Amino acid sequence: TQLLEQSPQFLSIQEGENLTVYCNSSSVFSSLQWYRQEPGEGPVLLVTVVTGGEVKKLKRLTFQFGDARKDSSLHITAAQPGDTGLYLCAGDGGPGYKLTFGKGTLLTVNP
Amino acid sequence: NAGVMQNPRHLVRRRGQEARLRCSPMKGHSHVYWYRQLPEEGLKFMVYLQKENIIDESGMPKERFSAEFPKEGPSILRIQQVVRGDSAAYFCASSPRDSSGYEQYFGPGTRLTVT
Repeated sequence: TQLLEQSPQFLSIQEGENLTVYCNSSSVFSSLQWYRQEPGEGPVLLVTVVTGGEVKKLKRLTFQFGDARKDSSLHITAAQPGDTGLYLCAGDGGPGYKLTFGKGTLLTVNP
Repeated sequence: NAGVMQNPRHLVRRRGQEARLRCSPMKGHSHVYWYRQLPEEGLKFMVYLQKENIIDESGMPKERFSAEFPKEGPSILRIQQVVRGDSAAYFCASSPRDSSGYEQYFGPGTRLTVT
């Protein structure tokens, strides 16, 4: 059974601070996706990483896929209150359709 | 809005009643997935369907739960004789094809409450 561990589980920071959240597994994934979910809504896809060592940037968000494709990180620079939400990582272990989700990191950015 | 649509957004059922959850995938998407999110737990895969076919239902409870994706109309997740433990948020996602290399896009979910 593939498992994804996310850390930290909760994170509360002040506006303007930087942060990193982690997504780790003992399993190899063919791709890994990051989603953000707000209360009462569905997950919204932020990025997909596919190649080991890949780095993708989305404005102030930087996503990295580990060389061995077992782990990933999300770094947010100069966090803003609008970044508040539940950040979920999901692994696609192949053949592709069954996403395995971590439990998420609940981020609160205080003004 | 061409996103994944789910209805109803909220559904209250008494124990023993049936719950029917509907999902219309994004335009051009022929693959539908259902996930369940319980409090304090992550999203769990339930079932993967293509038009008129169930491809993988390994995450579905063996009893009371069924899913379909007919040739015409939305995908339906049916829960018969609901129990309190079925209370959860149920999400539908769609993709244009097998998700190898193609992301899944989620709907807003149906929050089921069993009283």
